[in-house]
Amino acid sequence: KQEVTQIPAALSVPEGENLVLNCSFTDSAIYNLQWFRQDPGKGLTSLLLIQSSQREQTSGRLNASLDKSSGRSTLYIAASQPGDSATYLCAVRPSGSNYKLTFGKGTLLTVNP
Amino acid sequence: DAGVIQSPRHEVTEMGQEVTLRCKPISGHNSLFWYRQTMMRGLELLIYFNNNVPIDDSGMPEDRFSAKMPNASFSTLKIQPSEPRDSAVYFCASSPDGSNHGYTFGSGTRLTVV
Repeated sequence: KQEVTQIPAALSVPEGENLVLNCSFTDSAIYNLQWFRQDPGKGLTSLLLIQSSQREQTSGRLNASLDKSSGRSTLYIAASQPGDSATYLCAVRPSGSNYKLTFGKGTLLTVNP
Repeated sequence: DAGVIQSPRHEVTEMGQEVTLRCKPISGHNSLFWYRQTMMRGLELLIYFNNNVPIDDSGMPEDRFSAKMPNASFSTLKIQPSEPRDSAVYFCASSPDGSNHGYTFGSGTRLTVV
């Protein structure tokens, strides 16, 4: 059974810092991995989607990497801003079941002005 | 595209009442998912539809829960009778066919059963 773990559970940083959020998964047989952002009381917004054949994806100040063999992904946020404060979730789509996402519990990020 | 549209945004109901949550997926997306989010359990898949057909309902917690997808543009999740432990945020998501696509989530329905 696929399990997804996100570390740390919460992170507080001053504005302007570069930071890394971690995601690990137990079964490396995946189709893709997706990073989401969730603001309090809101839905999930997709940030980046990395296919199993890819090493990384970039969007603006965000960079996500994937090391499928070791079961790890990182989300790098450059020059953090207070508006980046949210919960960040990673989810993997296992290759054995090509529709079912398995989510981590998320990292609650607070960027202090 | 307006994205995945869910209604209502908030629902407060008394224990024992019937609750119906609604979802309109993105046009052209063949797959539709209902998820439930709680603090304790995080995000859990309740049911998955493909081309309007329920494929996997193993996550539906009990017989009080039912879901339908009468056409490609509409799905409902019904709880009857509702219980306080059903209080959660319910999300609908859709995706095109194919493993190289991501999911798009709606804004969710926050259900409170008192």
